[in-house]
Amino acid sequence: KQEVTQIPAALSVPEGENLVLNCSFTDSAIYNLQWFRQDPGKGLTSLLLIQSSQREQTSGRLNASLDKSSGRSTLYIAASQPGDSATYLCAVGNNYGQNFVFGPGTRLSVLP
Amino acid sequence: DVKVTQSSRYLVKRTGEKVFLECVQDMDHENMFWYRQDPGLGLRLIYFSYDVKMKEKGDIPEGYSVSREKKERFSLILESASTNQTSMYLCASSLLTLHYTFGSGTRLTVV
Repeated sequence: KQEVTQIPAALSVPEGENLVLNCSFTDSAIYNLQWFRQDPGKGLTSLLLIQSSQREQTSGRLNASLDKSSGRSTLYIAASQPGDSATYLCAVGNNYGQNFVFGPGTRLSVLP
Repeated sequence: DVKVTQSSRYLVKRTGEKVFLECVQDMDHENMFWYRQDPGLGLRLIYFSYDVKMKEKGDIPEGYSVSREKKERFSLILESASTNQTSMYLCASSLLTLHYTFGSGTRLTVV
């Protein structure tokens, strides 16, 4: 059974710092991987989707990488801003799959 | 952009009531999902559906059922609500396993 973990559970940084969030998964036979953002009390917003054949995806200040063989993905946030404060979740799409398995999330606080 | 609409943001129900949570998507997605989210437990899949009238159990289906009579609508039913079903409920839809789109969530409190 696929298991997804995220480190750290929480992170607090001053504004302007570059930071990396980590996601690990136990079964490398994945179809794709997606990073989400969730603001308190709200639903999830998709940030980046990486297909299993890809190594990385970029959107603005966000860059996500995927290393299937080692079961890892990272989300890099450049020049962090207070508006980036949220919980970030990674989700692994299972092989041929119809659904994602979610990690527990990393709660990020960017201090002004 | 795909829009997923959940009928209620906040809901308070009594123990033993039958509760319906409605979810509608407007982009003709085949797949729809119901999750619940609890502190410390993350998102857990209750049920999903990959076609009209089709349903599959997720990780925690006990105490829940679903209905998908039309492609755009996926309903979650709590047959007899209990206090341990107090949670945030999130609906999502997707095209194959491409981008998930989530609704805003329904915070259900069972008293």
